Amino acid sequence: DQQVKQNSPSLSVQEGRISILNCDYTNSMFDYFLWYKKYPAEGPTFLISISSIKDKNEDGRFTVFLNKSAKHLSLHIVPSQPGDSAVYFCAASEPQGAQKLVFGQGTRLTINP
Amino acid sequence: DTGVSQDPRHKITKRGQNVTFRCDPISEHNRLYWYRQTLGQGPEFLTYFQNEAQLEKSRLLSDRFSAERPKGSFSTLEIQRTEQGDSAMYLCASSYGTGGSQYFGPGTRLLVL
Repeated sequence: DQQVKQNSPSLSVQEGRISILNCDYTNSMFDYFLWYKKYPAEGPTFLISISSIKDKNEDGRFTVFLNKSAKHLSLHIVPSQPGDSAVYFCAASEPQGAQKLVFGQGTRLTINP
Repeated sequence: DTGVSQDPRHKITKRGQNVTFRCDPISEHNRLYWYRQTLGQGPEFLTYFQNEAQLEKSRLLSDRFSAERPKGSFSTLEIQRTEQGDSAMYLCASSYGTGGSQYFGPGTRLLVL
């Protein structure tokens, strides 16, 4: 049962344009959502998070949008830079207990010069 | 050093051997997590510590796996009688309090021959 899904395995964007990565979830108990960036042979690097009480959170070039009714979140990167090329994972957790992260399968973002 | 560290970064072993990995979390973080990531998938939760207490284990964690966090600081993950299916990246993450974002280490890549 895949509770967090990233339906696009890959995305290619031109440098300077906007990158939009999407994520869907099925578990209505999730209340905290995160995006991580991962380079090969490294651990995931935390990028940005959002609580379910908000619908938008910004940090520099990164903005995360949450649509609770659609159980959908997205990460916008503006402007996209070559160093943004990596695999991006969305993750979600429930408010109680371990608050363990449930990850999507990842989307490989390639920024073309 | 302010990040999560893991040792070793790489481990190659023969089937049937025992291996042990170490994780040093961010010093003020009381929560420590172990995840496993296989190719093409997002990380999957294995187990969770709050201080020295192991409070949750995934059904992915068979009897051959054991984890400890003896003084509430570093943690070890041991795999006994390794199998080829244990080949994966083993990731450690830490966080502070409830609702805190988890920060990952670089991972230990295990290859079982």
